[in-house]
Amino acid sequence: NAGVTQTPKFQVLKTGQSMTLQCAQDMNHNSMYWYRQDPGMGLRLIYYSASEGTTDKGEVPNGYNVSRLNKREFSLRLESAAPSQTSVYFCASSEPRAGRFTEAFFGQGTRLTVV
Amino acid sequence: GENVEQHPSTLSVQEGDSAVIKCTYSDSASNYFPWYKQELGKGPQLIIDIRSNVGEKKDQRIAVTLNKTAKHFSLHITETQPEDSAVYFCAASNTGTGFQKLVFGTGTRLLVSP
Repeated sequence: NAGVTQTPKFQVLKTGQSMTLQCAQDMNHNSMYWYRQDPGMGLRLIYYSASEGTTDKGEVPNGYNVSRLNKREFSLRLESAAPSQTSVYFCASSEPRAGRFTEAFFGQGTRLTVV
Repeated sequence: GENVEQHPSTLSVQEGDSAVIKCTYSDSASNYFPWYKQELGKGPQLIIDIRSNVGEKKDQRIAVTLNKTAKHFSLHITETQPEDSAVYFCAASNTGTGFQKLVFGTGTRLLVSP
């Protein structure tokens, strides 16, 4: 009964380093999302995947790439980390219904610090 | 596009008091307004929502009100308890769109002191 699992939970990177944040869900959901959360700015969508094989940009995609590896997994990659990418990152998943809004379930987050 | 403003950014109350968090939205097409609670070290979790065809919804100690004319909605927590301490987010969207269209407020940190 894990829901949405993110790894790692904490990470410190040096400027210019790369890393991949992993996300997996066990609810058989078709849609998955990556958000970043910064103080005073709420949650902002980075990328999402409406279904396996598709990805689309969200509000703040610059500096990130994503891969929908399969239906369960959706990874977020920082190719060259910058201090501005210091944030808490959340993955979420949902099962969309045509013409209807459906809620998503969030992982516990990855706290990333870029020094 | 939609813009959601949330106030206050921090709120401190004594146990047993009521707490009110307010949000305004800009897009008149929005008709779905969820509230999320984020406890320390966890992801946001939906606690209550309201759709624009109703003005108020209650769930035990939590209630949401919506004023569609003024484009604002509020979260009311009565008889607050220390376990209510968390960050609360409001959001707005349209029920005909996907979750990716949800626009979040900036969050309110609620601290309930015993």
